[in-house]
Amino acid sequence: AQKVTQAQTEISVVEKEDVTLDCVYETRDTTYYLFWYKQPPSGELVFLIRRNSFDEQNEISGRYSWNFQKSTSSFNFTITASQVVDSAVYFCALRTYKYIFGTGTRLKVLA
Amino acid sequence: DVKVTQSSRYLVKRTGEKVFLECVQDMDHENMFWYRQDPGLGLRLIYFSYDVKMKEKGDIPEGYSVSREKKERFSLILESASTNQTSMYLCASSGLMNTEAFFGQGTRLTVV
Repeated sequence: AQKVTQAQTEISVVEKEDVTLDCVYETRDTTYYLFWYKQPPSGELVFLIRRNSFDEQNEISGRYSWNFQKSTSSFNFTITASQVVDSAVYFCALRTYKYIFGTGTRLKVLA
Repeated sequence: DVKVTQSSRYLVKRTGEKVFLECVQDMDHENMFWYRQDPGLGLRLIYFSYDVKMKEKGDIPEGYSVSREKKERFSLILESASTNQTSMYLCASSGLMNTEAFFGQGTRLTVV
């Protein structure tokens, strides 16, 4: 079975705090892809990052960073020095031949 | 600018009506998907299509059907709308497996 678990339903932080969103996945496939999407209040999902199962390099993009660990089947997302504009629902997704999404984590960044 | 366009942003239908949700993409993508999004449940896959006239059931296909007569268009059909199908419906398209999905703006359907 394929599954994505985002155990954190909602997180609230104060602006400038760092925050990590957790994502744990399950698959028996050896080739797969992991994604993070952001859904701001406007509703449209915005792609953030893609990782394939053979590339465990962590990635940093500005204030965003991602930590992929196959040993724990995790693909966590960290926002450094959070800002109010980061407030959104964040989804982690797994793709083999179809996309499976987690239930999302609502992040609230308070000014 | 790549685009996935859903025909309606908001829709109100009566119980028992046949409802069509249309989705068009301009990226020549092979794969198209329909999801519904409900609070606390995330995005759940209803149906997807990997080629014209090809379709596969997702995790929650009951009460829905789909049609893909042309590569760019993927329609979701509610044969007889019920109140438990009130939801946000999201269409997406993608190319090869190592690529991300592009999403439409969503259709918020209310069945009364």
